[in-house]
Parts: sequence; C-alpha cells; structure tokens
Amino acid sequence: TQLLEQSPQFLSIQEGENLTVYCNSSSVFSSLQWYRQEPGEGPVLLVTVVTGGEVKKLKRLTFQFGDARKDSSLHITAAQPGDTGLYLCAGEGGTSYGKLTFGQGTILTVHP
Amino acid sequence: GAGVSQSPRYKVAKRGQDVALRCDPISGHVSLFWYQQALGQGPEFLTYFQNEAQLDKSGLPSDRFFAERPEGSVSTLKIQRTQQEDSAVYLCASSSGALDTQYFGPGTRLTVL
Repeated sequence: TQLLEQSPQFLSIQEGENLTVYCNSSSVFSSLQWYRQEPGEGPVLLVTVVTGGEVKKLKRLTFQFGDARKDSSLHITAAQPGDTGLYLCAGEGGTSYGKLTFGQGTILTVHP
Repeated sequence: GAGVSQSPRYKVAKRGQDVALRCDPISGHVSLFWYQQALGQGPEFLTYFQNEAQLDKSGLPSDRFFAERPEGSVSTLKIQRTQQEDSAVYLCASSSGALDTQYFGPGTRLTVL
C-alpha cells in the first residue's frame, strides 16, 4: 500500500512570510501532483512533477520532486491572504490508469 | 458544461437509508474516478471506470457501496443502508485517458444522521 505523509497539517502565518509543505513516502511514484482545494470545491491541479530532482515554479510557488521520486515539497514565497486554502499532494504509480494516493493535506491560513 | 458536475451538492440521510450520488464527467472523457474525502483529510480512492467498465473497485469500503457507469458517461455511486461513518464528501474526477490530468467535480457532501 502506498502512503503519503504530508506535513505540517496546519500552518498559520502572516502575510509576506515564506513557508514549505512537505510530502514524504517510502514508495516510489511515477509522478507527484500538487492540488489546491477551496471550501465546497474539488481539488484543482497546480503542478505535476515527473522526473527525480525536477523543480517547477509557478509564480511564487516552487515545487520540487525528490531525486528518488519518494518525496516532494511546495515552497511559497511572500505568502498572501489569497494563498489561503487546503494544499494536497498526490502520488501516481503502480497502476496503468492514474489512480492517485493523496496526502492528508495542509490547511494554510495567511493573515493580512 | 465545461467541467465535472455532481448532484446533489448536499445530501442528508437518516441512518439506514439508501442514497445515490450522480457524476456528470467532462464530455468525451474515458476515465472516471470516485474518491471519498473525510473532514480534514485528503481524498481516498474508491473506484475507477474506463468507459463503462469498472476496472478497479478496490477502494470501496464495504459491499454497501456500489458504482456504475452503464453507458460510459454519467456515473452513479450508490450507498445502501447508510451509516454515520459514511459521512464525507464524495468527489468524482474524469480524465481524457489513462494517466491524463484528472479534473474534479465540486463533490457531494453526505451527512448521515
């Protein structure tokens, strides 16, 4: 069984601060995805990382896939209140059709 | 519609009642997934369809849970004799093909009293 441990579970910071969310597993994944979920909505894909060591940037968000493809991180620079939400990592691997294994999620609150 | 839609958005059931949750995937999407998301947790896989074929139902918690997609488009997740532990958000996702990006619907929040 593939498991993803996501930390921290809760993060409450002030506007302008930096933060990092971690996603770790003992299993190797073919790819790892990061989602953001707003209350009452489904998860929305932010990025997919596929290659070990890969780094992707999306404005103030930086995503990294570990060399061994077992872990990933999401770093947000100069957080803004609009970044508030639930962030989920999800790994894909072991099936031919894209079954996702999600982490527990990180609830981020950015205070103005 | 442009995205995945689900209905109803909210469902309250008394313990022991049967419920049916509907998912309308993006038109033409071959793959359809159901996930269960407990409060404050990440989604957990329930079942997967490729067209009308249910290829993986390993995540269904019990035989009270049943899913179908008879014409390879709309899917229904049915829960019989609901119990309090079934309370969760049920998410549907579709993708154009195997390993393609999954697009999620807004979910159905089920509350079992």
